[in-house]
Amino acid sequence: SQQGEEDPQALSIQEGENATMNCSYKTSINNLQWYRQNSGRGLVHLILIRSNEREKHSGRLRVTLDTSKKSSSLLITASRAADTASYFCATLNRDDKIIFGKGTRLHILP
Amino acid sequence: NAGVMQNPRHLVRRRGQEARLRCSPMKGHSHVYWYRQLPEEGLKFMVYLQKENIIDESGMPKERFSAEFPKEGPSILRIQQVVRGDSAAYFCASSEQGAGMNTEAFFGQGTRLTVV
Repeated sequence: SQQGEEDPQALSIQEGENATMNCSYKTSINNLQWYRQNSGRGLVHLILIRSNEREKHSGRLRVTLDTSKKSSSLLITASRAADTASYFCATLNRDDKIIFGKGTRLHILP
Repeated sequence: NAGVMQNPRHLVRRRGQEARLRCSPMKGHSHVYWYRQLPEEGLKFMVYLQKENIIDESGMPKERFSAEFPKEGPSILRIQQVVRGDSAAYFCASSEQGAGMNTEAFFGQGTRLTVV
């Protein structure tokens, strides 16, 4: 399978703590994108990191990309209840196919 | 510039009927992707289309499922003779022509198919 793999599959943390999710993939990519999905809803695009970038920030989000290890991480700082959702990484492969991982279910505890 | 539009949002079909799911990509986008998501699972790639061409259908079941993206009009995912196992959320995404490092996929809100 060419799908990415996120870990952990599920993560519960206290509000205010930082949450880190990881994603690994198998093929060469053009970019990697992170999405959020609230239960039963559509996908919200969070951030895109190009294959020639190593780190990117957007608000409370920090994404890193290590193409040598074929892995990426998403850090959410100072988590809030509204961050409770599933988070998916998606890779745009060199054959123009966008492949998703299975996701990390993040639960922020009050 | 409207986003990716999928309709219907919810679709109920009886076993054996046909389901037609529509996806209108963002203006200027000529690449369309379809994904299926089962409850509590990730998105499984089904098919990748460009205008009038199927580029990669490696994720499509061999029978009953078909997809098209005509020169004019939306992309259509067709499921014939639906079975209960087809119940899922189906998401469509579009991107601009010439995929490269900056290509971003934009998703529709999905169509939730329920087979009764």
